[in-house]
Amino acid sequence: QKEVEQNSGPLSVPEGAIASLNCTYSDRGSQSFFWYRQYSGKSPELIMFIYSNGDKEDGRFTAQLNKASQYVSLLIRDSQPSDSATYLCAVSGNTPLVFGKGTRLSVIA
Amino acid sequence: EADIYQTPRYLVIGTGKKITLECSQTMGHDKMYWYQQDPGMELHLIHYSYGVNSTEKGDLSSESTVSRIRTEHFPLTLESARPSHTSQYLCASTQQGSSNQPQHFGDGTRLSIL
Repeated sequence: QKEVEQNSGPLSVPEGAIASLNCTYSDRGSQSFFWYRQYSGKSPELIMFIYSNGDKEDGRFTAQLNKASQYVSLLIRDSQPSDSATYLCAVSGNTPLVFGKGTRLSVIA
Repeated sequence: EADIYQTPRYLVIGTGKKITLECSQTMGHDKMYWYQQDPGMELHLIHYSYGVNSTEKGDLSSESTVSRIRTEHFPLTLESARPSHTSQYLCASTQQGSSNQPQHFGDGTRLSIL
């Protein structure tokens, strides 16, 4: 059974701080890694993807991948109250995406 | 911007009714998926399709059925709705080919069975 593990939170950070969200996965054959943001009552929206080891930056978001450790993370710099949401890690190989249960982030103004 | 549409957005209906939730995408994506998600809970894959006339069951057992007669259309049907079917149903699609393609989600259908 392929698994994706995330701390459910809530993770509370003050406005302007860096939020660090973590995810581990069990399938070493996983090739693609995605971060989705889901606001309460809404559908998930893709915010980042990463395929290779290392860091990938997009605006205030940085995704980090370490395939040897089977670990992927998302950093959100200068966190804003509007970043408060559940963040879903998703991992893909040759099967449908496997989603983690999500980490709930709360940014306190 | 992904073009994937779900109707209805909200449905409140009585027990025993037959329900069809519609999902359409205009991107020509081969792969389509149905997820079930209760409020504040995780996503559960219930059905997926990798092309016309191809459907598979997902990780969560569901009494619903799906069909894929056209590439752009992936409806989900409940023959006899029950209160336990109350949930949010999310449709997603992705391009065929490498596994590097992300899934794009529709806005979902919030289903309430009385």
